[in-house]
Amino acid sequence: AQTVTQSQPEMSVQEAETVTLSCTYDTSESDYYLFWYKQPPSRQMILVIRQEAYKQQNATENRFSVNFQKAAKSFSLKISDSQLGDAAMYFCAYRSLTSGTYKYIFGTGTRLKVLA
Amino acid sequence: DTGVSQNPRHKITKRGQNVTFRCDPISEHNRLYWYRQTLGQGPEFLTYFQNEAQLEKSRLLSDRFSAERPKGSFSTLEIQRTEQGDSAMYLCASSLADREQFFGPGTRLTVL
Repeated sequence: AQTVTQSQPEMSVQEAETVTLSCTYDTSESDYYLFWYKQPPSRQMILVIRQEAYKQQNATENRFSVNFQKAAKSFSLKISDSQLGDAAMYFCAYRSLTSGTYKYIFGTGTRLKVLA
Repeated sequence: DTGVSQNPRHKITKRGQNVTFRCDPISEHNRLYWYRQTLGQGPEFLTYFQNEAQLEKSRLLSDRFSAERPKGSFSTLEIQRTEQGDSAMYLCASSLADREQFFGPGTRLTVL
């Protein structure tokens, strides 16, 4: 069974600085998607970024980028020029492309605090 | 497009009562998912539908839980004989075919 691990329960970053959130996963599959979702306090989860495992190039979305290391099964999220609005829970998620399921497997999350 | 909506947003019930939650997905999305999120944890998959067909159920979905999506549009999740361990946030998500899931705001259930 696949698992997703986020080893940092909480992180802090100064406004305008850069922070990296870690995620590792365990799978025997070669085809899958990885996601980072953001969950602001009392608000719904929104997709931050998505990475297809077959793509070697790391995904980027404006100030958000990932470092995808397939062999190491690592998928970290870098947030550049952090803003107060980035404060939220961040969840890493995995979705198989080979097992016939469409469910996401989530990590336990990292709470990001942005300091003014 | 107003996104995924869920009702009610909060539900407080007494142990042993039945509760029902509703999810309205994004209109053109054919897949609908239910997850449960407890404090300090990430969402855990419960079940999903493709149109009106329920295609996968987690072992977390005990026989007290039932979900429906009668016309392939909105979905309901019912919990019978609620227990304190059912207290959680119940999240609904929808997707268009194989694309990413969009989440609703959730229904927070408190069982006293």
